[in-house]
Amino acid sequence: DVKVTQSSRYLVKRTGEKVFLECVQDMDHENMFWYRQDPGLGLRLIYFSYDVKMKEKGDIPEGYSVSREKKERFSLILESASTNQTSMYLCASKILRDSPLHFGNGTRLTVT
Amino acid sequence: GEDVEQSLFLSVREGDSSVINCTYTDSSSTYLYWYKQEPGAGLQLLTYIFSNMDMKQDQRLTVLLNKKDKHLSLRIADTQTGDSAIYFCADHGSSNTGKLIFGQGTTLQVKP
Repeated sequence: DVKVTQSSRYLVKRTGEKVFLECVQDMDHENMFWYRQDPGLGLRLIYFSYDVKMKEKGDIPEGYSVSREKKERFSLILESASTNQTSMYLCASKILRDSPLHFGNGTRLTVT
Repeated sequence: GEDVEQSLFLSVREGDSSVINCTYTDSSSTYLYWYKQEPGAGLQLLTYIFSNMDMKQDQRLTVLLNKKDKHLSLRIADTQTGDSAIYFCADHGSSNTGKLIFGQGTTLQVKP
């Protein structure tokens, strides 16, 4: 079974802090994704990556950056956290374009 | 723009059938997907349908696809309290990027 692991289930950070959300997958998947999930808005794509050191902006990249130094790891970075970035963050991976996405359990981030 | 729409809430009694509906604006997807999200967890792939099929049955789950009307539905037979969750439909839209577009999610409430 594919395992996508997000390093933290819950995080509380202060406004202005730099925040790292880590995601690791164990199935040698090429494609990795970061979504945020908010009530009434569903899932919105922040960034995705097709390969090591490659990244593509999703629908809401503002205020975020990503890092993919190794194939198995995809990090989401909030350079200066703001309260409107309080959300559930979901990492996912898949092997091919038309493959299904496999999700981690999510990180609930609260910015105070 | 591309969009996937779902009704937000469905309430049924235990033992009844549940039908969750989804419409999409455009799709070049080879597959269309249904995901399930239990409280506090990530999304779990529930089932999927190949885009040239009309119907797929998998135990208590039946997926119907009407490509002409761009309508996808998920029927859960003999709904149980453990089926209470949020259900998301998803497809790739017309993009070749491989990203999935999700509906807002339908919260299924199963009453005993």
